[in-house]
Amino acid sequence: GQNIDQPTEMTATEGAIVQINCTYQTSGFNGLFWYQQHAGEAPTFLSYNVLDGLEEKGRFSSFLSRSKGYSYLLLKELQMKDSASYLCAASGNTPLVFGKGTRLSVIA
Amino acid sequence: DTGVSQDPRHKITKRGQNVTFRCDPISEHNRLYWYRQTLGQGPEFLTYFQNEAQLEKSRLLSDRFSAERPKGSFSTLEIQRTEQGDSAMYLCASSSLRGRAAYEQYFGPGTRLTVT
Repeated sequence: GQNIDQPTEMTATEGAIVQINCTYQTSGFNGLFWYQQHAGEAPTFLSYNVLDGLEEKGRFSSFLSRSKGYSYLLLKELQMKDSASYLCAASGNTPLVFGKGTRLSVIA
Repeated sequence: DTGVSQDPRHKITKRGQNVTFRCDPISEHNRLYWYRQTLGQGPEFLTYFQNEAQLEKSRLLSDRFSAERPKGSFSTLEIQRTEQGDSAMYLCASSSLRGRAAYEQYFGPGTRLTVT
Protein backbone atom coordinates (compact mmCIF):
# COMPACT_ATOMS: atom_id res chain seq x y z
CA GLY A 1 0.00 0.00 0.00
CA GLN A 2 0.92 3.66 -0.16
CA ASN A 3 0.77 5.89 2.86
CA ILE A 4 2.20 9.26 3.81
CA ASP A 5 1.86 10.47 7.40
CA GLN A 6 2.54 13.95 8.67
CA PRO A 7 1.11 15.98 11.56
CA THR A 8 -2.09 17.86 10.79
CA GLU A 9 -1.22 21.14 12.47
CA MET A 10 1.73 22.88 14.09
CA THR A 11 2.23 26.28 15.66
CA ALA A 12 5.54 28.08 16.05
CA THR A 13 6.79 31.52 16.99
CA GLU A 14 8.23 34.08 14.60
CA GLY A 15 12.02 33.78 14.52
CA ALA A 16 12.03 30.23 15.86
CA ILE A 17 12.89 26.89 14.22
CA VAL A 18 10.27 24.24 13.40
CA GLN A 19 10.65 20.66 12.18
CA ILE A 20 7.84 18.99 10.24
CA ASN A 21 8.13 15.21 10.14
CA CYS A 22 6.90 12.83 7.46
CA THR A 23 6.88 9.05 7.29
CA TYR A 24 6.11 7.23 4.08
CA GLN A 25 5.36 3.80 2.64
CA THR A 26 5.17 3.61 -1.13
CA SER A 27 5.36 1.06 -3.93
CA GLY A 28 8.79 1.76 -5.28
CA PHE A 29 10.61 4.89 -4.19
CA ASN A 30 12.50 7.47 -6.23
CA GLY A 31 12.63 10.41 -3.88
CA LEU A 32 10.84 12.65 -1.41
CA PHE A 33 9.42 16.10 -2.14
CA TRP A 34 8.33 18.95 0.07
CA TYR A 35 5.89 21.53 -1.26
CA GLN A 36 4.51 24.69 0.32
CA GLN A 37 0.89 25.63 -0.27
CA HIS A 38 -0.72 28.87 0.85
CA ALA A 39 -4.48 28.83 1.26
CA GLY A 40 -6.26 28.90 -2.08
CA GLU A 41 -3.04 28.67 -4.07
CA ALA A 42 -1.18 25.92 -5.91
CA PRO A 43 1.66 23.99 -4.27
CA THR A 44 5.14 25.39 -4.87
CA PHE A 45 8.27 23.26 -4.87
CA LEU A 46 10.57 23.50 -1.85
CA SER A 47 12.92 20.52 -1.94
CA TYR A 48 13.64 17.09 -3.35
CA ASN A 49 15.72 14.40 -1.60
CA VAL A 50 16.94 11.29 -3.36
CA LEU A 51 19.85 10.24 -1.14
CA ASP A 52 20.03 9.96 2.62
CA GLY A 53 21.08 13.07 4.44
CA LEU A 54 20.36 16.73 4.85
CA GLU A 55 19.98 19.21 2.02
CA GLU A 56 20.03 22.87 2.89
CA LYS A 57 18.52 25.67 0.85
CA GLY A 58 18.50 29.01 2.59
CA ARG A 59 16.16 29.00 5.58
CA PHE A 60 14.75 25.61 4.57
CA SER A 61 16.44 22.23 4.94
CA SER A 62 15.13 18.75 4.21
CA PHE A 63 16.33 15.41 5.51
CA LEU A 64 15.77 11.90 4.22
CA SER A 65 16.37 8.43 5.65
CA ARG A 66 15.42 5.84 3.04
CA SER A 67 15.95 2.91 5.39
CA LYS A 68 13.53 4.39 7.93
CA GLY A 69 11.02 5.77 5.42
CA TYR A 70 11.36 9.13 7.15
CA SER A 71 11.88 12.72 6.17
CA TYR A 72 11.65 16.10 7.81
CA LEU A 73 11.49 19.69 6.69
CA LEU A 74 13.30 22.20 8.88
CA LEU A 75 12.34 25.86 8.72
CA LYS A 76 14.64 28.36 10.41
CA GLU A 77 14.13 32.01 11.34
CA LEU A 78 10.40 31.66 10.88
CA GLN A 79 8.54 34.53 9.29
CA MET A 80 4.83 35.26 9.31
CA LYS A 81 4.71 34.53 5.57
CA ASP A 82 5.77 30.94 6.31
CA SER A 83 2.25 30.29 7.60
CA ALA A 84 1.03 27.73 5.06
CA SER A 85 0.45 24.03 4.53
CA TYR A 86 3.54 21.92 3.94
CA LEU A 87 3.01 18.84 1.82
CA CYS A 88 5.23 15.79 1.92
CA ALA A 89 5.12 13.73 -1.29
CA ALA A 90 6.85 10.51 -2.30
CA SER A 91 7.76 9.70 -5.88
CA GLY A 92 7.54 6.01 -6.70
CA ASN A 93 5.62 3.78 -9.06
CA THR A 94 2.82 6.35 -9.10
CA PRO A 95 4.18 9.78 -10.02
CA LEU A 96 3.54 11.48 -6.69
CA VAL A 97 1.71 10.39 -3.56
CA PHE A 98 0.97 13.33 -1.27
CA GLY A 99 0.35 13.46 2.42
CA LYS A 100 -2.57 15.49 3.74
CA GLY A 101 -0.28 18.36 4.59
CA THR A 102 0.78 20.04 7.81
CA ARG A 103 -0.82 23.40 8.45
CA LEU A 104 1.80 25.61 10.07
CA SER A 105 0.76 28.75 11.91
CA VAL A 106 3.48 31.25 12.73
CA ILE A 107 2.56 33.54 15.60
CA ALA A 108 4.19 36.73 16.83
CA ASP B 1 6.49 31.21 -20.70
CA THR B 2 6.35 31.87 -17.00
CA GLY B 3 4.71 28.72 -15.74
CA VAL B 4 1.81 26.34 -15.91
CA SER B 5 -1.53 27.98 -16.70
CA GLN B 6 -5.04 26.66 -16.22
CA ASP B 7 -8.37 27.84 -17.50
CA PRO B 8 -10.88 28.60 -16.13
CA ARG B 9 -9.78 29.46 -12.60
CA HIS B 10 -13.27 28.95 -11.24
CA LYS B 11 -16.25 27.01 -12.55
CA ILE B 12 -19.71 26.72 -11.05
CA THR B 13 -21.96 24.18 -12.69
CA LYS B 14 -25.18 22.35 -11.99
CA ARG B 15 -25.22 18.68 -11.23
CA GLY B 16 -25.46 16.62 -14.40
CA GLN B 17 -23.70 19.13 -16.63
CA ASN B 18 -20.43 18.48 -18.42
CA VAL B 19 -17.35 20.62 -17.78
CA THR B 20 -13.97 20.86 -19.47
CA PHE B 21 -10.78 22.32 -18.06
CA ARG B 22 -7.63 23.27 -19.91
CA CYS B 23 -3.99 23.14 -18.83
CA ASP B 24 -1.02 24.67 -20.64
CA PRO B 25 2.26 23.27 -19.26
CA ILE B 26 5.69 24.87 -19.27
CA SER B 27 6.62 24.70 -22.93
CA GLU B 28 9.66 22.41 -22.77
CA HIS B 29 8.09 19.96 -20.31
CA ASN B 30 7.24 16.51 -21.62
CA ARG B 31 5.16 15.29 -18.71
CA LEU B 32 1.79 16.65 -17.66
CA TYR B 33 -0.18 15.58 -14.58
CA TRP B 34 -3.68 16.09 -13.29
CA TYR B 35 -4.51 16.06 -9.57
CA ARG B 36 -7.62 16.71 -7.53
CA GLN B 37 -7.52 18.38 -4.13
CA THR B 38 -10.31 18.79 -1.60
CA LEU B 39 -10.23 20.96 1.50
CA GLY B 40 -7.80 19.75 4.14
CA GLN B 41 -6.33 17.06 1.92
CA GLY B 42 -3.23 16.79 -0.18
CA PRO B 43 -3.49 16.56 -3.97
CA GLU B 44 -4.63 13.16 -5.26
CA PHE B 45 -3.14 11.87 -8.48
CA LEU B 46 -5.62 11.40 -11.34
CA THR B 47 -3.60 10.79 -14.52
CA TYR B 48 -0.47 11.77 -16.37
CA PHE B 49 0.86 12.10 -19.90
CA GLN B 50 4.27 11.80 -21.41
CA ASN B 51 4.04 13.83 -24.60
CA GLU B 52 0.65 12.78 -26.06
CA ALA B 53 0.56 9.32 -24.46
CA GLN B 54 -1.56 8.84 -21.35
CA LEU B 55 0.65 6.56 -19.25
CA GLU B 56 -1.30 6.06 -16.08
CA LYS B 57 -4.79 6.61 -14.68
CA SER B 58 -5.77 6.44 -11.04
CA ARG B 59 -8.67 4.34 -9.86
CA LEU B 60 -10.11 7.69 -8.74
CA LEU B 61 -10.66 8.51 -12.40
CA SER B 62 -14.14 7.10 -13.06
CA ASP B 63 -15.47 6.64 -16.57
CA ARG B 64 -17.09 10.08 -16.30
CA PHE B 65 -13.60 11.60 -16.42
CA SER B 66 -11.52 11.79 -19.56
CA ALA B 67 -8.24 13.54 -20.24
CA GLU B 68 -6.48 14.25 -23.50
CA ARG B 69 -3.25 15.77 -24.67
CA PRO B 70 -3.65 15.48 -28.43
CA LYS B 71 -0.50 17.23 -29.63
CA GLY B 72 1.67 16.73 -26.60
CA SER B 73 1.25 20.35 -25.55
CA PHE B 74 -1.89 21.50 -23.72
CA SER B 75 -4.25 19.06 -22.05
CA THR B 76 -7.96 18.98 -21.31
CA LEU B 77 -9.81 17.25 -18.49
CA GLU B 78 -13.51 16.64 -19.06
CA ILE B 79 -16.00 15.59 -16.43
CA GLN B 80 -19.32 14.33 -17.73
CA ARG B 81 -22.56 14.29 -15.72
CA THR B 82 -20.99 16.16 -12.82
CA GLU B 83 -21.87 15.17 -9.26
CA GLN B 84 -21.61 17.21 -6.07
CA GLY B 85 -18.72 14.99 -5.01
CA ASP B 86 -16.72 16.30 -7.96
CA SER B 87 -16.45 19.70 -6.28
CA ALA B 88 -12.74 20.22 -5.72
CA MET B 89 -9.66 22.05 -6.93
CA TYR B 90 -8.27 20.45 -10.08
CA LEU B 91 -4.54 20.97 -10.34
CA CYS B 92 -2.32 20.51 -13.34
CA ALA B 93 1.45 20.10 -13.10
CA SER B 94 4.25 19.57 -15.57
CA SER B 95 7.81 18.31 -15.43
CA SER B 96 10.82 17.79 -17.62
CA LEU B 97 12.28 14.38 -18.42
CA ARG B 98 15.86 15.50 -17.97
CA GLY B 99 18.09 14.72 -14.99
CA ARG B 100 17.11 15.53 -11.45
CA ALA B 101 14.46 17.90 -12.73
CA ALA B 102 12.62 14.88 -14.11
CA TYR B 103 10.91 14.48 -10.78
CA GLU B 104 10.23 18.13 -9.98
CA GLN B 105 6.68 19.05 -10.81
CA TYR B 106 5.54 22.63 -11.30
CA PHE B 107 1.90 23.27 -10.50
CA GLY B 108 -0.58 25.57 -12.15
CA PRO B 109 -2.97 27.77 -10.13
CA GLY B 110 -5.76 25.22 -10.36
CA THR B 111 -9.40 25.25 -11.43
CA ARG B 112 -11.86 25.34 -8.57
CA LEU B 113 -15.02 23.44 -9.49
CA THR B 114 -18.25 23.86 -7.57
CA VAL B 115 -21.13 21.57 -8.46
CA THR B 116 -24.50 22.80 -7.16
